[in-house]
Amino acid sequence: QKEVEQNSGPLSVPEGAIASLNCTYSDRGSQSFFWYRQYSGKSPELIMSIYSNGDKEDGRFTAQLNKASQYVSLLIRDSQPSDSATYLCAVIGSGNTGKLIFGQGTTLQVKP
Amino acid sequence: NAGVMQNPRHLVRRRGQEARLRCSPVKGHSHVYWYRQLPEEGLKFMVYLQKENIIDESGMPKERFSAEFPKEGPSILRIQQVVRGDSAAYFCASSRQGGDTEAFFGQGTRLTVV
Repeated sequence: QKEVEQNSGPLSVPEGAIASLNCTYSDRGSQSFFWYRQYSGKSPELIMSIYSNGDKEDGRFTAQLNKASQYVSLLIRDSQPSDSATYLCAVIGSGNTGKLIFGQGTTLQVKP
Repeated sequence: NAGVMQNPRHLVRRRGQEARLRCSPVKGHSHVYWYRQLPEEGLKFMVYLQKENIIDESGMPKERFSAEFPKEGPSILRIQQVVRGDSAAYFCASSRQGGDTEAFFGQGTRLTVV
């Protein structure tokens, strides 16, 4: 079982729609969760961090965390073509050496 | 307020040569992480360092690869006797503290072994 799992996609949504990206993790003791965006040929860019159960909103982005289900999601409202990228879920496990473990990423395509 | 700086951005090495990749963290950050990314693949953890200490090197190949983060100067990822399979993008990230703090990435070094 992979430590952090994401559906590789591609996930295709029309412009203006809500994109929903999902991530599951195997280490039940994990405490810190992050979403990064990576455009093709570029480096990962931090979008959101979340540490507590529930929702965290920042502009058009909402991160959701459910530790009981070991599930993290990212919602992008009013999706734009410029949101087309690969979205990486990252988790710091309970062993807490501070190692960030990444999922494979989900490719999002927003169609005009 | 410079971010994480990596150099060189592109590096071409012949098989058998050495590659040295440098990473200067965000000012005030004392934790550095190195990742490797092959085309169309995810980020693979290699090593996590604090100043003068290796905290976790569980992702480093046992041979030819080494990393350091000295008290002064950048972190260095060193690959000896490179092979074609080492061709990849190598990313460095830094954070202020370890554990649950946010990490920010540099632009990466694209290594090509010919």
